[in-house]
Amino acid sequence: KAGVTQTPRYLIKTRGQQVTLSCSPISGHRSVSWYQQTPGQGLQFLFEYFSETQRNKGNFPGRFSGRQFSNSRSEMNVSTLELGDSALYLCASSPSEKTEAFFGQGTRLTVV
Amino acid sequence: KNQVEQSPQSLIILEGKNCTLQCNYTVSPFSNLRWYKQDTGRGPVSLTIMTFSENTKSNGRYTATLDADTKQSSLHITASQLSDSASYICVVSAGYGGATNKLIFGTGTLLAVQP
Repeated sequence: KAGVTQTPRYLIKTRGQQVTLSCSPISGHRSVSWYQQTPGQGLQFLFEYFSETQRNKGNFPGRFSGRQFSNSRSEMNVSTLELGDSALYLCASSPSEKTEAFFGQGTRLTVV
Repeated sequence: KNQVEQSPQSLIILEGKNCTLQCNYTVSPFSNLRWYKQDTGRGPVSLTIMTFSENTKSNGRYTATLDADTKQSSLHITASQLSDSASYICVVSAGYGGATNKLIFGTGTLLAVQP
């Protein structure tokens, strides 16, 4: 069974640009959540989607947005990139909100 | 304020030795507690997940304990191996098990196992 797949693995963008990250959950999983991980802040929750609906949202500015498609694949978008957005962005999927989450390998975003 | 604190921040042990990592939480309402292992540059991998009624859970050489009264958990690693070198993250799920559950992350303990 394939795990959670995130693309791309690495990305370099310049300040002011926007970026879209993709996450394909484990087959059959309907819940997808996104996290930002930086050395100083650790893992921070961005948002969670279940059946195409955003269920939870963390404390991030509106530049961070996401969506989930009918096949449960999810995308995360960051607009007007700032240097501080450089981080490892992790996606996790689970069959439902109550069950264990499985993480992808992450997308390493560097903003220069 | 929901919070998860881990100690120590980092730890160095010799291969073959045992070690115990600590996690204290102030999360309400408590739903479950998870330990994850994260290798450098990779996504976290689940080790254990425990609900309120579970005191201990093992996964190979990893044994997690939970004391819901004192709101403390520990992760014990037995006979450490070089491959155990990683960051270990304690995560507490807050909520009633429904759609509004939120995951509260600790900042992790960085473990280095030396030969």
